[in-house]
Amino acid sequence: SQKIEQNSEALNIQEGKTATLTCNYTNYSPAYLQWYRQDPGRGPVFLLLIRENEKEKRKERLKVTFDTTLKQSLFHITASQPADSATYLCAQGSGGYNKLIFGAGTRLAVHP
Amino acid sequence: EAGVAQSPRYKIIEKRQSVAFWCNPISGHATLYWYQQILGQGPKLLIQFQNNGVVDDSQLPKDRFSAERLKGVDSTLKIQPAKLEDSAVYLCASSFSPGRQDGYTFGSGTRLTVV
Repeated sequence: SQKIEQNSEALNIQEGKTATLTCNYTNYSPAYLQWYRQDPGRGPVFLLLIRENEKEKRKERLKVTFDTTLKQSLFHITASQPADSATYLCAQGSGGYNKLIFGAGTRLAVHP
Repeated sequence: EAGVAQSPRYKIIEKRQSVAFWCNPISGHATLYWYQQILGQGPKLLIQFQNNGVVDDSQLPKDRFSAERLKGVDSTLKIQPAKLEDSAVYLCASSFSPGRQDGYTFGSGTRLTVV
């Protein structure tokens, strides 16, 4: 069955640096990938969607890429801030009903 | 715009008891989802509604879990009887329609502890 894999280890970076999070999927290429942010005690918040035929998407300090050859998506936060500290979830979507399968998420900690 | 409303926020019950969660999605969102999120894991889809019809419940443990969405708006998820392994956060989400590939809007969830 299809799987979404994210690095389970927390990512610790210094304020101002670029954070890069990885999402790998197995088997077939999903029609699109979505990235969410989740803070403790809260539900996930939608950030970005990238489709299979798109290489890159940007929104303010966020950038996401989709490499169907490597079966991988990279999520970048430039000029990171302590307020960016959260868990980031990758989700694959496919099929006519917009069903999302989530990865376990990667926790990001940005230190001042 | 109001968000997805869920209640209660927290619930503690003993095993073998029953529990129900309520969700009110964003107005106009035709699709409603219930996810289960166990600590340290990503959300797992339990059931998906399109208006008031079920389109996916393949991962819903139907011997103990049930869900309904009457009139295509509010939804309730019930567990009867609960087991220890049901301890998790139950998230409700909604989106406009499947074809738009929209991001989901999630509620804050209900944290269930089964003791």
